[in-house]
Amino acid sequence: GAGVSQSPSNKVTEKGKDVELRCDPISGHTALYWYRQSLGQGLEFLIYFQGNSAPDKSGLPSDRFSAERTGGSVSTLTIQRTQQEDSAVYLCVSAQGGGPSYNEQFFGPGTRLTVL
Amino acid sequence: DQQVKQNSPSLSVQEGRISILNCDYTNSMFDYFLWYKKYPAEGPTFLISISSIKDKNEDGRFTVFLNKSAKHLSLHIVPSQPGDSAVYFCAASVSGGGADGLTFGKGTHLIIQP
Repeated sequence: GAGVSQSPSNKVTEKGKDVELRCDPISGHTALYWYRQSLGQGLEFLIYFQGNSAPDKSGLPSDRFSAERTGGSVSTLTIQRTQQEDSAVYLCVSAQGGGPSYNEQFFGPGTRLTVL
Repeated sequence: DQQVKQNSPSLSVQEGRISILNCDYTNSMFDYFLWYKKYPAEGPTFLISISSIKDKNEDGRFTVFLNKSAKHLSLHIVPSQPGDSAVYFCAASVSGGGADGLTFGKGTHLIIQP
């Protein structure tokens, strides 16, 4: 399909392990965001990529979190030395641009991360 | 400190009646507001938005009202239908978003009863 895909859909890991979450945005979309939703919380902004510009990492909760976007397309979010508080649904958003075009934002189905 | 608040975790409305979902914000710099709808196991989908230069935006059965002085917005769905049962997120941004991302509320679970 032409939507945003994320993998894996579910990930269960042990505390202290590293995990990598993948997002395949819609082809041609220049903007990509990562959000997460913890239990009982709203969606929390993590990081934003716009084209080839340096990403805005202001939302990353700690230095254990990093993300990259290769070739302006696929993005991976890496969490090192996972902690139980990292358990959440991680959502990727693909958009045509970063301006006032949120009606063109498309969310992926999310990756549910559980840290035991 | 939550900048976008949805104080009702859930709301139950009878089919055919009006559903009113409320959202309050604290950051006076927010100038663009959106509502997203989310079904279980799916990502949120955009529903309707409003810029701070307006006080109302209507799209079919959905209308969003913005009261800037009260820092309050609401989503009206009329008439409510069973397929409207979902979690609704209110979101806000500064200058159309971009690098600031969106600030979301915790969501309101709307249940439409037959």
